[in-house]
Amino acid sequence: SQQGEEDPQALSIQEGENATMNCSYKTSINNLQWYRQNSGRGLVHLILIRSNEREKHSGRLRVTLDTSKKSSSLLITASRAADTASYFCATGRTNNAGNMLTFGGGTRLMVKP
Amino acid sequence: ETGVTQTPRHLVMGMTNKKSLKCEQHLGHNAMYWYKQSAKKPLELMFVYSLEERVENNSVPSRFSPECPNSSHLFLHLHTLQPEDSALYLCASSQDERTSAELFFGEGSRLTVL
Repeated sequence: SQQGEEDPQALSIQEGENATMNCSYKTSINNLQWYRQNSGRGLVHLILIRSNEREKHSGRLRVTLDTSKKSSSLLITASRAADTASYFCATGRTNNAGNMLTFGGGTRLMVKP
Repeated sequence: ETGVTQTPRHLVMGMTNKKSLKCEQHLGHNAMYWYKQSAKKPLELMFVYSLEERVENNSVPSRFSPECPNSSHLFLHLHTLQPEDSALYLCASSQDERTSAELFFGEGSRLTVL
């Protein structure tokens, strides 16, 4: 089964509201990253949180990490129509090959103007 | 513009064709990746190259053949594909292959196999 699983799979909110997306994972990680993908485009890195960090901010984004629960959340405050996209968490772990980022299935966020 | 360029953006091919996807990064990174994104499935890592050497191959069928001639270029050679191989193929690069490295993605090549 996949390492990261986002919840909910789809989220629809009004502009100005906050959007919260959750990610759960199964194995130990070095870090967790969040990416954004506009429809049919490539992924764009949003934020990275290391396993020894609990919370991180970047502009309107706030990410939390709870390693005891193996979960992370991404909060987008004061959402805008331009935030409409799919959001993916990716968990980083180390093996002999180095960088193994495993992506979840994503949350499709729609922000209505 | 992320600094990672993929061509072609769209490709339609028959099951007996041979084609190639190209990826070029202008970021001076040492690691490059191929990912497959199918509808309703998570991103699947296919290949990882670090300093032009393949360091990971996630049990990808041999009909997909990667090539990394230098640290700036990555190819995915395709032959005798199946319709289920239709997907968005994403190339990415990172400074190195450490797990803390941020991935920079191209816009993807949308492949349709008839």
